[in-house]
Amino acid sequence: SQTIHQWPATLVQPVGSPLSLECTVEGTSNPNLYWYRQAAGRGLQLLFYSVGIGQISSEVPQNLSASRPQDRQFILSSKKLLLSDSGFYLCAWSDHSPLHFGNGTRLTVT
Amino acid sequence: QKEVEQNSGPLSVPEGAIASLNCTYSDRVSQSFFWYRQYSGKSPELIMSIYSNGDKEDGRFTAQLNKASQYVSLLIRDSQPSDSATYLCAVDQFYFGTGTSLTVIP
Repeated sequence: SQTIHQWPATLVQPVGSPLSLECTVEGTSNPNLYWYRQAAGRGLQLLFYSVGIGQISSEVPQNLSASRPQDRQFILSSKKLLLSDSGFYLCAWSDHSPLHFGNGTRLTVT
Repeated sequence: QKEVEQNSGPLSVPEGAIASLNCTYSDRVSQSFFWYRQYSGKSPELIMSIYSNGDKEDGRFTAQLNKASQYVSLLIRDSQPSDSATYLCAVDQFYFGTGTSLTVIP
């Protein structure tokens, strides 16, 4: 069966520091991969999605970037974090079916 | 970008009652519709998917879709305190509403 791993679970970072969140999927090949952010009390904002290695689509211009160096690996990065980057970051995968989410990373920028 | 609208709530129902959650969407050519449940501090989990007009039942959950009205709903029968969560509507796989908070009162 397919599983998705996302880490770390929680992260506290100062303003201006870099960020790297990683997500890996097991048990499937060539999945569609997604990064979402959920601010406190808000809905899910789609940040990036990828349909294959090296193929990244950005939904919202922002301080973040994404990369897909391997088929089942998706990385969310920032060079300099802003206070507004705080939130709950969720990685998800699909094979043209409903999304399956990782456990999320709660990021607090101080 | 496709718009998905939900009442944020909170919606409160007594235990054993029917909870009704509603969602409207902007793109009339949308084809797939999903309901996710999200407990506080946790990631969303899929509870229902629906692709054609009408009702789809799964245990205590019923999803209803009306493409002409661009409307999808979720009914939860015999609501339990464990159903207390935020319910997210999603359209065409990855466009989400802001969610409706449901509290089931024992």
